[in-house]
Amino acid sequence: DAKTTQPNSMESNEEEPVHLPCNHSTISGTDYIHWYRQLPSQGPEYVIHGLTSNVNNRMASLAIAEDRKSSTLILHRATLRDAAVYYCILVNTDKLIFGTGTRLQVFP
Amino acid sequence: DAGVTQSPTHLIKTRGQQVTLRCSPKSGHDTVSWYQQALGQGPQFIFQYYEEEERQRGNFPDRFSGHQFPNYSSELNVNALLLGDSALYLCASTDGLAGGGEQFFGPGTRLTVL
Repeated sequence: DAKTTQPNSMESNEEEPVHLPCNHSTISGTDYIHWYRQLPSQGPEYVIHGLTSNVNNRMASLAIAEDRKSSTLILHRATLRDAAVYYCILVNTDKLIFGTGTRLQVFP
Repeated sequence: DAGVTQSPTHLIKTRGQQVTLRCSPKSGHDTVSWYQQALGQGPQFIFQYYEEEERQRGNFPDRFSGHQFPNYSSELNVNALLLGDSALYLCASTDGLAGGGEQFFGPGTRLTVL
């Protein structure tokens, strides 16, 4: 199973943009790049996913490197409710292989 | 739409017992996956069911088994419980034909083995 590498933790101030990086150098051509987040005491929540092109939705943006070996999740204006563990996952058979993720702290 | 629902919310068992956890997928979804999340860790894939068959399996012993019903709901069974089986058990559903798409998670069942 292809693996991803993320920083253990990041910090941000409220209303500032946050860029969460992910390295996936062993990605294959059929792997989708997914991001999920998990708030305390809840199940994981889908954030965004993409294959080759950058993607935007109401929650975030996903920037994918041209060689697809890295990606960045962008939260345009962090809020206190965005404090969570963010997981970057490669998916090609609907099986999610979670790593340890990045714990994002947001300060008021 | 109620989304993915799981029951029970919490469960306490003793070593050696057996447990059954239940999951109802989001309306329109036919694929159900189960994950185990130990405290402080990311979820670990147990197995996935599609069309009432186990389609994929993670690195879990045979003590972990499952079932999917014609209405796409699913059960996770764990036999001969060990202390290490204490964890949050998560169910996720997706549209199996969509491929690579969003998965919806339930709130989980917290299992404590004493």
